[in-house]
Amino acid sequence: NAGVTQTPKFQVLKTGQSMTLQCAQDMNHEYMSWYRQDPGMGLRLIHYSVGAGITDQGEVPNGYNVSRSTTEDFPLRLLSAAPSQTSVYFCASSYSQTGGTEAFFGQGTRLTVV
Amino acid sequence: GIQVEQSPPDLILQEGANSTLRCNFSDSVNNLQWFHQNPWGQLINLFYIPSGTKQNGRLSATTVATERYSLLYISSSQTTDSGVYFCAVEGYSTLTFGKGTMLLVSP
Repeated sequence: NAGVTQTPKFQVLKTGQSMTLQCAQDMNHEYMSWYRQDPGMGLRLIHYSVGAGITDQGEVPNGYNVSRSTTEDFPLRLLSAAPSQTSVYFCASSYSQTGGTEAFFGQGTRLTVV
Repeated sequence: GIQVEQSPPDLILQEGANSTLRCNFSDSVNNLQWFHQNPWGQLINLFYIPSGTKQNGRLSATTVATERYSLLYISSSQTTDSGVYFCAVEGYSTLTFGKGTMLLVSP
């Protein structure tokens, strides 16, 4: 059981380039989300999805797009990379538990934009 | 949105010592989770604890939802406990994180 798999683990982009961070989960979880982690800031929500075909914005969505065509996959697209998007990106999947949902995280993608 | 505050921001312990980490949150929440981010950056689930007390080995957690706080206890700390401890609260299927407590356990 792989859990939540993110690829790539490391990436360097030039300003203005575009790319897609991949996230796949094999736990049949209905909820998926993307966070970014910056020094001293904790993790902040970028976009999330409550099911296939449904996405919504989080706290810091600008410069990112998402789609959810299947339950398993939730890619994050950077349209035109900027140095401010240098960060560590985490994908999470969640399932409903009593009273709420429990989240599990992938290993992260460290992105540097030069 | 919900505000999450963790204290202390940094903590240095000698191996074998005990510690208590605190998480305060500003509103009612569906769920609270504690995570450990190890030195390699991996986020490890410690507890799913919307209320009550849970224990797992040397670690235990208590959430008092009516008073909007949670505590994480680490007993007999080991060097492998080093890293950053995050609490995160759930509003609607997404999490709001605190800024974490950075723990260093020295031999």
